[in-house]
Amino acid sequence: DAGVIQSPRHEVTEMGQEVTLRCKPISGHNSLFWYRQTMMRGLELLIYFNNNVPIDDSGMPEDRFSAKMPNASFSTLKIQPSEPRDSAVYFCASSGRGYYGYTFGSGTRLTVV
Amino acid sequence: AQKITQTQPGMFVQEKEAVTLDCTYDTSDPSYGLFWYKQPSSGEMIFLIYQGSYDQQNATEGRYSLNFQKARKSANLVISASQLGDSAMYFCAMRENTGTASKLTFGTGTRLQVTL
Repeated sequence: DAGVIQSPRHEVTEMGQEVTLRCKPISGHNSLFWYRQTMMRGLELLIYFNNNVPIDDSGMPEDRFSAKMPNASFSTLKIQPSEPRDSAVYFCASSGRGYYGYTFGSGTRLTVV
Repeated sequence: AQKITQTQPGMFVQEKEAVTLDCTYDTSDPSYGLFWYKQPSSGEMIFLIYQGSYDQQNATEGRYSLNFQKARKSANLVISASQLGDSAMYFCAMRENTGTASKLTFGTGTRLQVTL
């Protein structure tokens, strides 16, 4: 099993640009989570999906952030327009029925300059 | 209110010694799960150990064990025979059921440094 796959691993972009982060969960997992990690705020849950449906997006910081899960094998997190304070590591994680664990991807390190 | 509290921002332990990383939690849900993750300097999140709220025995995985004290709402991680490779950030997390799904909430982490 390839695990949770995130792309890109690193992204450097200019303020005001659109950024799209991608995630492929483990096949068969039905829950997907997007987290953001910063020194100041630690690991924050941004949004999570169950069976491709967004369940709770209360952690999404602003309207500039949006997430989609068009099918069971793909999710995106988009920031438009990006700002320097969005610089962080963004993790995607997935979990499945009858499986208590959450598997994390390697993360995307986003730098907005 | 903090749902997961890790009061030790940093810990030092000598190689081959045991170390306990503290974690307390707060929930009114009778069914929950507690996790520990390791994050080395490379950045990935590595699952270490899990304890379910109804589990009668403390979880163990190799050198890791979880000291689960339900009445005190604590779930401390014990690492025995520390190794240099154990130097990392350690996060305690709690799974809460939200009806349609469950979500994982993390503490602020403890940075462990293993010394010679």
